[in-house]
Amino acid sequence: IAGITQAPTSQILAAGRRMTLRCTQDMRHNAMYWYRQDLGLGLRLIHYSNTAGTTGKGEVPDGYSVSRANTDDFPLTLASAVPSQTSVYFCASSAIAGEETQYFGPGTRLLVL
Amino acid sequence: GQNIDQPTEMTATEGAIVQINCTYQTSGFNGLFWYQQHAGEAPTFLSYNVLDGLEEKGRFSSFLSRSKGYSYLLLKELQMKDSASYLCAVIDSNYQLIWGAGTKLIIKP
Repeated sequence: IAGITQAPTSQILAAGRRMTLRCTQDMRHNAMYWYRQDLGLGLRLIHYSNTAGTTGKGEVPDGYSVSRANTDDFPLTLASAVPSQTSVYFCASSAIAGEETQYFGPGTRLLVL
Repeated sequence: GQNIDQPTEMTATEGAIVQINCTYQTSGFNGLFWYQQHAGEAPTFLSYNVLDGLEEKGRFSSFLSRSKGYSYLLLKELQMKDSASYLCAVIDSNYQLIWGAGTKLIIKP
């Protein structure tokens, strides 16, 4: 592994189903982030984690949950998917929270029907 | 509220120079990033400005004026591979990154 990986690459999901998007980084970065990107709206922060064991809510957290059990992994769960959650989801990490450059995973394209 | 404004789309000619502007109104300022994002790919880091002035990195330069809430990204000697979206992002007083919607740059031969 080099950098950040995300899985799956893409997914079609029925509304109401539960889904976990996976994110793993091997850079030993303390901070990790989940964004969604929708056409014309730019990147919006869903949840973040400044260090292992802590998480925080971003701009659009409703319908999503995260956990940060260790440094490397930061899964994002949709408890009961709705069509408005159709988006491209990017995971990112930075050495420390705040001023450091964020490095992005390749993204997960999710379609909720 | 917090706001970052960038033009939605710009067109330029291969070999030319283009300037992409970004204005921001945020609660505090702790730095500004420019990222490049090719269609269907993840954003990648281009530049970081925290002090006023121009930062030059090869064909790309980024300028910041904190008093004006303004930055620009200057791309010289444009190449077809520079066709991408360019995202401006500001670190606010809570050290959260606020993102603009991005500028889609189209390069024509």
